[in-house]
Amino acid sequence: AQKITQTQPGMFVQEKEAVTLDCTYDTSDPSYGLFWYKQPSSGEMIFLIYQGSYDQQNATEGRYSLNFQKARKSANLVISASQLGDSAMYFCAMRGNTGGFKTIFGAGTRLFVKA
Amino acid sequence: ETGVTQTPRHLVMGMTNKKSLKCEQHLGHNAMYWYKQSAKKPLELMFVYSLEERVENNSVPSRFSPECPNSSHLFLHLHTLQPEDSALYLCASSQDARGVSVQETQYFGPGTRLLVL
Repeated sequence: AQKITQTQPGMFVQEKEAVTLDCTYDTSDPSYGLFWYKQPSSGEMIFLIYQGSYDQQNATEGRYSLNFQKARKSANLVISASQLGDSAMYFCAMRGNTGGFKTIFGAGTRLFVKA
Repeated sequence: ETGVTQTPRHLVMGMTNKKSLKCEQHLGHNAMYWYKQSAKKPLELMFVYSLEERVENNSVPSRFSPECPNSSHLFLHLHTLQPEDSALYLCASSQDARGVSVQETQYFGPGTRLLVL
């Protein structure tokens, strides 16, 4: 069975500092995709970054980067130069070959950015 | 501005009411999804439509009835709901729905906050 684990219910970071949000996954699929989403208090889920299991390099999108360690089955999100607007829930998600049409989501990490 | 819109944004209904949630995507995608997000629970997939065909029904009670008249519109018809159905209902769309690539990235609407009294 596929599973996503986010072990940090909440995280604090000082403005302008970097922060790492943890995500581990479990799958037997040889091919899969990993996604990170941001959900502000308004409710909308905002897509941040994608990493394919066969991608050789870690994905980057602006201030977001994904620290992908395939052997450890981890896909941590790194946010550099944190801003107050980064305060939100962050969800890690995975989609595998045998998951049918399902993308499974982790429980999320709430990030608080302090001024 | 989001490419996926949802109406209404907030809805209060009694257990005997019938209401519908509407979702529209302006991204030219082929797949659309309904999710339920309850407090302190992971996001739950409800339904998936690919090219207007329902391809996933994730053991959702029959009091929730989806409709996809075309690839841009998705409805969720609600009737005789229970208080435990109160949640944030999120609609999403993706270019494709059958793989694991970036084409399967889902883009979400702002959600409908539903309260069942």
